[in-house]
Amino acid sequence: DTGVSQDPRHKITKRGQNVTFRCDPISEHNRLYWYRQTLGQGPEFLTYFQNEAQLEKSRLLSDRFSAERPKGSFSTLEIQRTEQGDSAMYLCASSRGTGARLEQYFGPGTRLTVT
Amino acid sequence: QKEVEQNSGPLSVPEGAIASLNCTYSDRGSQSFFWYRQYSGKSPELIMSIYSNGDKEDGRFTAQLNKASQYVSLLIRDSQPSDSATYLCAVKGDYKLSFGAGTTVTVRA
Repeated sequence: DTGVSQDPRHKITKRGQNVTFRCDPISEHNRLYWYRQTLGQGPEFLTYFQNEAQLEKSRLLSDRFSAERPKGSFSTLEIQRTEQGDSAMYLCASSRGTGARLEQYFGPGTRLTVT
Repeated sequence: QKEVEQNSGPLSVPEGAIASLNCTYSDRGSQSFFWYRQYSGKSPELIMSIYSNGDKEDGRFTAQLNKASQYVSLLIRDSQPSDSATYLCAVKGDYKLSFGAGTTVTVRA
């Protein structure tokens, strides 16, 4: 499978716990994006990496959220002190880094439930 | 005003009919437009991209773009039960995608 992969696919955690998600992009893609989607809404942008550099963070990304892409390959998204409002599907997408027409391809997502 | 708005659903069409989905966007400088299909409980799947005014056809799907009217549409011809899903319109800015809330389509057999 050469698509975007995410791990875990599902995570149930108690409020106040920390969670970490992993995303492996399509191998030749140097751009990586994180989005969050809640029921009945479209995905909302969280953050964006070009290679290992984090170039943009949404105002949705509070100080409890941190994302890394240490070697420009896989990325992790950590949520500290989870809250019930963090329950959502966390989606990772990747795209090529050249050309204006950068189509983004999504992974299967990680569904987070905070109890 | 939301950046991307889609016609509210749900949309129910009989098998074999044409499903018509509409989307408007607020950023006049946008250059890239996409349609994603999302089955219940799954992630979005890219089905169409369009960058120039006019029509673009791919199989049973036709995307239409009118930048002057800031309007994008998707037609699904000969609708099949497997087309039952939520369709998301996405508009690309410098790097991120802005999505509409989606239109849920149900194809009745």
